[in-house]
Amino acid sequence: GNSVTQMEGPVTLSEEAFLTINCTYTATGYPSLFWYVQYPGEGLQLLLKATKADDKGSNKGFEATYRKETTSFHLEKGSVQVSDSAVYFCALRGSNAGGTSYGKLTFGQGTILTVHP
Amino acid sequence: KAGVTQTPRYLIKTRGQQVTLSCSPISGHRSVSWYQQTPGQGLQFLFEYFSETQRNKGNFPGRFSGRQFSNSRSEMNVSTLELGDSALYLCASSRQSPSGEQYFGPGTRLTVT
Repeated sequence: GNSVTQMEGPVTLSEEAFLTINCTYTATGYPSLFWYVQYPGEGLQLLLKATKADDKGSNKGFEATYRKETTSFHLEKGSVQVSDSAVYFCALRGSNAGGTSYGKLTFGQGTILTVHP
Repeated sequence: KAGVTQTPRYLIKTRGQQVTLSCSPISGHRSVSWYQQTPGQGLQFLFEYFSETQRNKGNFPGRFSGRQFSNSRSEMNVSTLELGDSALYLCASSRQSPSGEQYFGPGTRLTVT
């Protein structure tokens, strides 16, 4: 079955530091890949996505590239802010060659990011 | 455009009781999925509904059930509650599209005592 593995956290950084959160996956077919962010007491917000190999998703300064050869989708940001403190989830959604998307999202365990001023 | 709404936001129930949670998807979205989030198990898929039909189901006991109405609103029910059912229950909606991004509601926090 499908699975997602995220780097273990928590991650603590100073403001303006560079961020990398590693994510690797195992899946059959042609999965779509996502990063979601969860702020305290809230649901998940879609941060970015990539639907095929070599696609780069980006949003709010965050980027991730869909690497099929290494089955990875690492999240990066060049300069973090205190407001980026949250839990980040890598996820995949399975798909067959015809592009039919299956409803189940498989999540990684989440990485807690804390950014200090 | 209104986001996904879930009611109630918080619930406290006693072991053995049953509970019903409600989810209203984003307008135009016909697919609704439910997830359970706990500190120990993380985010786990419960089930997905599309056009009033359950299309996919996760590995949960039969005490967990759901349904979807013709207006795409969905409910999930948990019968004979156990302490381990305490969790944040998240609903997500999506369009029927290859990219399949899902948009989540704020969740219902269920506490079983």
